[in-house]
Amino acid sequence: KAGVTQTPRYLIKTRGQQVTLSCSPISGHRSVSWYQQTPGQGLQFLFEYFSETQRNKGNFPGRFSGRQFSNSRSEMNVSTLELGDSALYLCASSQVALLAGWGPDTQYFGPGTRLTVL
Amino acid sequence: AQTVTQSQPEMSVQEAETVTLSCTYDTSESDYYLFWYKQPPSRQMILVIRQEAYKQQNATENRFSVNFQKAAKSFSLKISDSQLGDAAMYFCAYRSGQGNTDKLIFGTGTRLQVFP
Repeated sequence: KAGVTQTPRYLIKTRGQQVTLSCSPISGHRSVSWYQQTPGQGLQFLFEYFSETQRNKGNFPGRFSGRQFSNSRSEMNVSTLELGDSALYLCASSQVALLAGWGPDTQYFGPGTRLTVL
Repeated sequence: AQTVTQSQPEMSVQEAETVTLSCTYDTSESDYYLFWYKQPPSRQMILVIRQEAYKQQNATENRFSVNFQKAAKSFSLKISDSQLGDAAMYFCAYRSGQGNTDKLIFGTGTRLQVFP
């Protein structure tokens, strides 16, 4: 099976612009989560989607948004970019256990998108 | 709120030796899961090992094992027979067992250097 793919891998934008990042989960995986990784704040949870519904959201401003499509692919959007948005954005997918008691499925991470805001 | 603490920013080990990375966490929940992820210079996060809180037996995966002390809220990772390819950032992560969520709470990471 192909792993989690993220596009683009690298992106350079200027302040005030907006950006859209894409994540394609592993085939059959229905849950997608997004994380922001910076040297100062570490790894922080942005949001997660399951069956096209956002089921959890981290503590980020409304400029950060996301969505999931019927094929489980997900996009995240950042509007009005700020210098502090420069980060590695990681996407992770999991299959999601359908029966109670199985516990969480392993999350598989993509290679990330490196966003630089100038 | 749950927190994860990794108090060792950097560790080093000689090839073939054993090293232990520390992790403590804070939670009021009784049902949760703990993970160790590895992030090599390529930046791809890779799951190393996971532990269910309800299991008393420590998880092992080949050269990797954990020491899970639930009462002390401690979750350390032991790497035996260290290899050059083990050099990476290691992150400890917590996931709640309550509710329907994949959300991981990460520690700040420990950079492991492996010397030949």
